[in-house]
Amino acid sequence: EVQLVQSGGGLVQPGGSLRLSCAASGFTFSSYWMSWVRQAPGKGLEWVANIEQDGSEKYYVDSVKGRFTISRDNAKHSLSLQMNSLRAEDTAVYYCARSSCYYGSGSYCYFDYWGQGTLVTVSS
Amino acid sequence: QSVLTQPPSVSGAPGQRVTISCTGSSSNIGAGYDVHWYQHLPGTAPKLLIYGNSNRPSGVPDRFSGSKSGTSASLAITGLQAEDETDYYCQSYDSSLSGWVFGGGTKLTVL
Repeated sequence: EVQLVQSGGGLVQPGGSLRLSCAASGFTFSSYWMSWVRQAPGKGLEWVANIEQDGSEKYYVDSVKGRFTISRDNAKHSLSLQMNSLRAEDTAVYYCARSSCYYGSGSYCYFDYWGQGTLVTVSS
Repeated sequence: QSVLTQPPSVSGAPGQRVTISCTGSSSNIGAGYDVHWYQHLPGTAPKLLIYGNSNRPSGVPDRFSGSKSGTSASLAITGLQAEDETDYYCQSYDSSLSGWVFGGGTKLTVL
């Protein structure tokens, strides 16, 4: 059974840092792209970042470029999101998600399994 | 404002059929990128409903179907049930943004 178990999150002041983690099991972790998706209060889903199977390619939504870093440890079957210089608008529930990609392209991907979500609140 | 446009809400009576549209542009759906659909009850993990425009993962009832034409896609739900009342999102890739994009979401109300 595919499982994605998230940890981290919580309350942080503007300008602060936080690290989210996602422990994967039930599938060959190193064979899949992995992603972070968030949902701000009262808003829709927003893709945040993707990382390719061996970690060599990483992509981010413009609003987090230069502040967030996605990484993975294939030996430990884990995914992380390091969030620095946090802003109030980063307040959201963050989900890790397995990305199934096809046609040998990162442009054709969908999110087929999701973590339980973790709340990040940026407030003074 | 989302790159992919969905109606904020749709409604239907039990047993009826409803459709949810997802309108994009020449840099996403119109460029040939596939559309995927998710069902999301706030506070829980989203669930994949349709991938690659019209494919259902195992376990998803055949009451759910997807289609794509030109710069738009649609999710159809037949035999509406009370348990279908939640939020639905489309997702694709946008070459101008070089990233993955979601629609703004549609809240389905079962009357």
